[in-house]
Amino acid sequence: AQSVTQPDIHITVSEGASLELRCNYSYGATPYLFWYVQSPGQGLQLLLKYFSGDTLVQGIKGFEAEFKRSQSSFNLRKPSVHWSDAAEYFCAVGETGTASKLTFGTGTRLQVTL
Amino acid sequence: NAGVTQTPKFRVLKTGQSMTLLCAQDMNHEYMYWYRQDPGMGLRLIHYSVGEGTTAKGEVPDGYNVSRLKKQNFLLGLESAAPSQTSVYFCASSEAGFSSYEQYFGPGTRLTVT
Repeated sequence: AQSVTQPDIHITVSEGASLELRCNYSYGATPYLFWYVQSPGQGLQLLLKYFSGDTLVQGIKGFEAEFKRSQSSFNLRKPSVHWSDAAEYFCAVGETGTASKLTFGTGTRLQVTL
Repeated sequence: NAGVTQTPKFRVLKTGQSMTLLCAQDMNHEYMYWYRQDPGMGLRLIHYSVGEGTTAKGEVPDGYNVSRLKKQNFLLGLESAAPSQTSVYFCASSEAGFSSYEQYFGPGTRLTVT
C-alpha cells in the first residue's frame, strides 16, 4: 500500500525567506503526487500536482515542487514566503484505478514570522 | 457556484446518539468522498462514491454509513456515536476520469462526542 511521510510537523520561517517542505512517498509504480494547503478553519485546496513529464511543477500562489524518483521525494518550495502562506500543507499520493483515491501525509504546519 | 457545502458546521453529540452529515456540491461532479481529520494523522478516507447510487468503503469505514441517492448529495451517518468519532469531517468531490485527483473540499464539520 502507498504511504506518504512528511517528517516536519511544524516549521517556522520569516516573511521573505525561502521555504522547503519535505515529502517522501512509498508507491510501487509511477506515483501521482499532490500538494494541498489548508488555511485555518477551511477545507483543503490543491496547490499543484505531478502526473508525469517535467519533474519540476509549478502551482498556484508561487509554489513549486520537484519530483525526485531516486529519493522518492516531492518537496514543496517557495522562494519568498508571505505572511498569508501560514497554513497547514499536506502531501498526497494518488491511487490508480477507480475513484482516484488519495493517501495524505500527516501535514506540516507553517508559521510565518514578521 | 457554492462549490462544496457541508451541514452542519459544528455539532456536539452524546455517546450513543445518531446524526447525519450532509454534503452538497453544485459542480456536477461524479465522485464524492468523506474524510476525517485528526491531529497528527492527516486525512483518512471513510467512504466514497463514484456515482449516484454507489458507495464504497475507504480506510476507516467502521461506525459510519453513507448514501448517495442524488448525484449532488453525499450523506454520512453515525448510527451510535462514540467518543472516538470526535473529529473534523471533510467532504470532497471531483470529476470522473484523469482529472478526478483534483478534489474540491468543503469547509468541514467539527463533531464532538461526549
